[in-house]
Amino acid sequence: AQTVTQSQPEMSVQEAETVTLSCTYDTSENNYYLFWYKQPPSRQMILVIRQEAYKQQNATENRFSVNFQKAAKSFSLKISDSQLGDTAMYFCAFMKRKKSSGDKLTFGTGTRLAVRP
Amino acid sequence: GAVVSQHPSRVICKSGTSVKIECRSLDFQATTMFWYRQFPKKSLMLMATSNEGSKATYEQGVEKDKFLINHASLTLSTLTVTSAHPEDSSFYICSARDLAGGIIGDTQYFGPGTRLTVL
Repeated sequence: AQTVTQSQPEMSVQEAETVTLSCTYDTSENNYYLFWYKQPPSRQMILVIRQEAYKQQNATENRFSVNFQKAAKSFSLKISDSQLGDTAMYFCAFMKRKKSSGDKLTFGTGTRLAVRP
Repeated sequence: GAVVSQHPSRVICKSGTSVKIECRSLDFQATTMFWYRQFPKKSLMLMATSNEGSKATYEQGVEKDKFLINHASLTLSTLTVTSAHPEDSSFYICSARDLAGGIIGDTQYFGPGTRLTVL
């Protein structure tokens, strides 16, 4: 079974600064996806960024980027130029890339990020 | 693109009644939809996986007779909480996967959630 660990229950960052959220996972699979979702106070889950395990290049989406270290099974999220709207719960998630049984997302426990004005 | 809606957003019902929650993919077709439950300040707990035209697959510990799931079309899945009790009060979230292949098709897009309160 896969596990996802987010070791930072809460983080705080000053507006316009950079913050990194950590995520580690454990799997014996070689082909999988990793995701970061944010859940703001509205509780709508929003996809932030996704990474395919076979791609060595780190994914980037505007101010959001990841540091994917496959050997270390680490998938951290960097938020640059933090904005007040980034205040949310952030979940790291893992999914096997097998059609027969790999549809499920395994979530971490989440990191609550507060952006200070 | 990839918008998922849920209805209702909030529902309050009396103990013993049944409540139906709808999940729709608005701009894509979804062969697979998922139902989650989330307790306050906790992560999402997968309840069941719903495939269009077939029976849902429930996670261990989830009562399939209590949480009825129907996935009648490629854009609609419903969750019915039967004979609801106060302990069923929670935030229920659905997600859907696009028919497209690759990582786009393997990405889950989430609805806004439904807050159920059972009195």
